[in-house]
Amino acid sequence: SQQGEEDPQALSIQEGENATMNCSYKTSINNLQWYRQNSGRGLVHLILIRSNEREKHSGRLRVTLDTSKKSSSLLITASRAADTASYFCATDATNSGGSNYKLTFGKGTLLTVNP
Amino acid sequence: EAGVAQSPRYKIIEKRQSVAFWCNPISGHATLYWYQQILGQGPKLLIQFQNNGVVDDSQLPKDRFSAERLKGVDSTLKIQPAKLEDSAVYLCASSTQTGPAYEQYFGPGTRLTVT
Repeated sequence: SQQGEEDPQALSIQEGENATMNCSYKTSINNLQWYRQNSGRGLVHLILIRSNEREKHSGRLRVTLDTSKKSSSLLITASRAADTASYFCATDATNSGGSNYKLTFGKGTLLTVNP
Repeated sequence: EAGVAQSPRYKIIEKRQSVAFWCNPISGHATLYWYQQILGQGPKLLIQFQNNGVVDDSQLPKDRFSAERLKGVDSTLKIQPAKLEDSAVYLCASSTQTGPAYEQYFGPGTRLTVT
């Protein structure tokens, strides 16, 4: 089952605008990661935010995490055509034995940045 | 640093045939993952290796899927016999260690079409 659910499913904006994508999840997490997938570069890790962090920045990316609401958001500022891709949040969970962590991905948000 | 290598990139087979995928992780990465990504969805973990041992195969359909990682380096994933619903992209990923704080590096994937 997929724990993370991204919203919206698709987003279309103009170059230079900001894009915000949201992720909701169901169970407690240790960390939340965001990945980007496009046809040219495959699936690439963008940023990781720990459960005790509320906000994190990396270049034009800003991620927030609200563990009380079990939600995260990814903001891309000053978007470029090259940002066109699918964006996935991935949450970690331990296996039944509690000895291993695995990532569970959402269905993703398809972002289209128009030149 | 060389990335995760996968082959073949594309494969078309008929149902009930068998197929095998190969993955070579980033040198020195102890953890290797196989994911299945169906069109329009996020990747779903099939199996996770730590060195040459399996740490999670709870979502692997063991009646038809098998995977091995001999010598703790490269890995193969096999499907026998294939079903129509196995049509998907099979992604291999690796990380330095297993754990919630380790980012995963993904290969380009193998797109499987079962007819």
